[in-house]
Amino acid sequence: QVQLQESGPGLVKPSQTLSLTCTVSSGSISRDTDYWNWIRQPAGKGLEWIGRVSTSGSTNYNPSLKSRVTISVDRSKNQFSLTLRSVTAADTAVYYCVREKELLREFFYFYYMDVWGNGTTVIVSS
Amino acid sequence: EIVLTQSPGTLSLSPGERATLSCRASQSVGTNFLAWYQHKPGQAPRLLIYGASSRATGIPDRFSGSGSGTDYTLTISRLEPEDFAVYYCQRYGSTPPTWTFGQGTKVEIK
Repeated sequence: QVQLQESGPGLVKPSQTLSLTCTVSSGSISRDTDYWNWIRQPAGKGLEWIGRVSTSGSTNYNPSLKSRVTISVDRSKNQFSLTLRSVTAADTAVYYCVREKELLREFFYFYYMDVWGNGTTVIVSS
Repeated sequence: EIVLTQSPGTLSLSPGERATLSCRASQSVGTNFLAWYQHKPGQAPRLLIYGASSRATGIPDRFSGSGSGTDYTLTISRLEPEDFAVYYCQRYGSTPPTWTFGQGTKVEIK
């Protein structure tokens, strides 16, 4: 069973850059039917999709964050990463890395997020 | 942009009761693009339902999903103590690929 583990600094200063890495274990990051996502949850709020990267490196981002976000994949290390620039206190949240599956069944494509990391808390504060 | 609105915000029920959670989309959503997740404090969210009605691997059959178009429902037939949590619906948008969550429904012990 594929497992995901987030890593990175738990404290980032305002205006600086947040960088997190997700390590994929017990499975390959290189399957064409998988996409690799970042999702966050500020304290007391709901889940917010940040963006995703495919095995080939193509990306899609939440329009509200697009100008500040980069997600990349490193197949040689079985990792993918999140970079969020110019952070503010509003970026304080639990950040999850997540596997998204693309399933073709009876001529229809299904998409869902079936494997989640445990999450890592990032606090933006001076 | 499609918005998902979940209701009620909080559902207060006793173990053994039936829970019915609603997810309404501002525009029609393909059933193959609608999923439900369970989220407990301090844990990662867990996929329950994909394709609006297909249970994920290992999910008990007391969880069921239904709906089409703009109206979707997650039903828990008989609440077990471990089912008290927050539930999110989620929609995949294909052009361009984006994901949207509802704001969540908290199922709490009455």
